[in-house]
Amino acid sequence: GAGVSQSPSNKVTEKGKDVELRCDPISGHTALYWYRQRLGQGLEFLIYFQGNSAPDKSGLPSDRFSAERTGESVSTLTIQRTQQEDSAVYLCASSYGTAQETQYFGPGTRLLVL
Amino acid sequence: AQSVTQPDIHITVSEGASLELRCNYSYGATPYLFWYVQSPGQGLQLLLKYFSGDTLVQGIKGFEAEFKRSQSSFNLRKPSVHWSDAAEYFCAVGAGGGTYKYIFGTGTRLKVLA
Repeated sequence: GAGVSQSPSNKVTEKGKDVELRCDPISGHTALYWYRQRLGQGLEFLIYFQGNSAPDKSGLPSDRFSAERTGESVSTLTIQRTQQEDSAVYLCASSYGTAQETQYFGPGTRLLVL
Repeated sequence: AQSVTQPDIHITVSEGASLELRCNYSYGATPYLFWYVQSPGQGLQLLLKYFSGDTLVQGIKGFEAEFKRSQSSFNLRKPSVHWSDAAEYFCAVGAGGGTYKYIFGTGTRLKVLA
């Protein structure tokens, strides 16, 4: 089947605008993760969804960041009032749900805030 | 706190030469350890993972890694590098015990000379 898909692949926005990033996980995967990858840095955990449980939002850097997921389907990551430091690649991953299960990554959304 | 260090930001090897990418982690118990590869324009792909048992782990594309508890290391190796191995390689550690958060290193960019 298809892998994890993300859209858009690239997004350029002006400082202060809101952006919405989308992730389609692999069908059947109950867990979904969002990471941020700044230039020259490793992946930074943002948020984790597992089935219908309350998400772990502990990695979100500020209240301008939020994410939603309906059931075990699509997730959207929203960044409000974007700042230049939000420029990064945002990666989504999905898995069958436990730490032992491999996380499968999408190609990412490259966000540039001017 | 958990941490992952990849001391080499860039490595250049000739095609056909052997390769070793270093990864050191900091964690009190036995961690879950992973190596991912990120090719240009592609999502991260899992090369191999270690949870327990045999400390020498075989992965895809001819890669292997060895878990050395005494050195807190999980170095990635390949006996003969191919030009298509040029990519960025990330080491990651998970806390285990049902903890899903992974901590990623900053990556090592591999260049392969023809």
